[in-house]
Amino acid sequence: DVKVTQSSRYLVKRTGEKVFLECVQDMDHENMFWYRQDPGLGLRLIYFSYDVKMKEKGDIPEGYSVSREKKERFSLILESASTNQTSMYLCASSFAGANYGYTFGSGTRLTVV
Amino acid sequence: DQQVKQNSPSLSVQEGRISILNCDYTNSMFDYFLWYKKYPAEGPTFLISISSIKDKNEDGRFTVFLNKSAKHLSLHIVPSQPGDSAVYFCAATAHNTGTASKLTFGTGTRLQVTL
Repeated sequence: DVKVTQSSRYLVKRTGEKVFLECVQDMDHENMFWYRQDPGLGLRLIYFSYDVKMKEKGDIPEGYSVSREKKERFSLILESASTNQTSMYLCASSFAGANYGYTFGSGTRLTVV
Repeated sequence: DQQVKQNSPSLSVQEGRISILNCDYTNSMFDYFLWYKKYPAEGPTFLISISSIKDKNEDGRFTVFLNKSAKHLSLHIVPSQPGDSAVYFCAATAHNTGTASKLTFGTGTRLQVTL
């Protein structure tokens, strides 16, 4: 069964901490994405990557960075966590080309206190 | 600037009836549209899609209609079942956006199918 796996389902971090969210896919997908989901705002794109070591900013990249050292792994980094980054974080992957829908992970619920 | 809008945050439908979920978009470059379904504590799953060269696509109980002139699409579920209760996201993309096929999502509509 093909999968996108996010390392944690729930995380609680303190303000100012550096936070790593990990995502691994086993489908040999070229593209990987990080979204956050907030009530009333839907899913908003933070960063995406179309190849190893390549990254592009999405719609809300401020306060975040990413790393893609291997094709199957895409990490989201919160350099200094703030309370407004409390959210559900969703990783997704896809083959290149718009006709292939994303496969999403189950999400990480991050709470910053 | 919300390029994909789902103006109904929630919808309640009786089992066996038709559910109609609506989506509007503003970006005329969008040429491919998808619907995703999300249960609590799970990631969204792909449901159905439509290309801008079509005005209808059907898959079992699910049909998506596209009205390009109105920049509007809708998802019809017939008949609705209790297991369809979930949040539904509309998404759109443009083929010529360069290196990766980014999806722009709407805000979601929570569908509740009652017995």
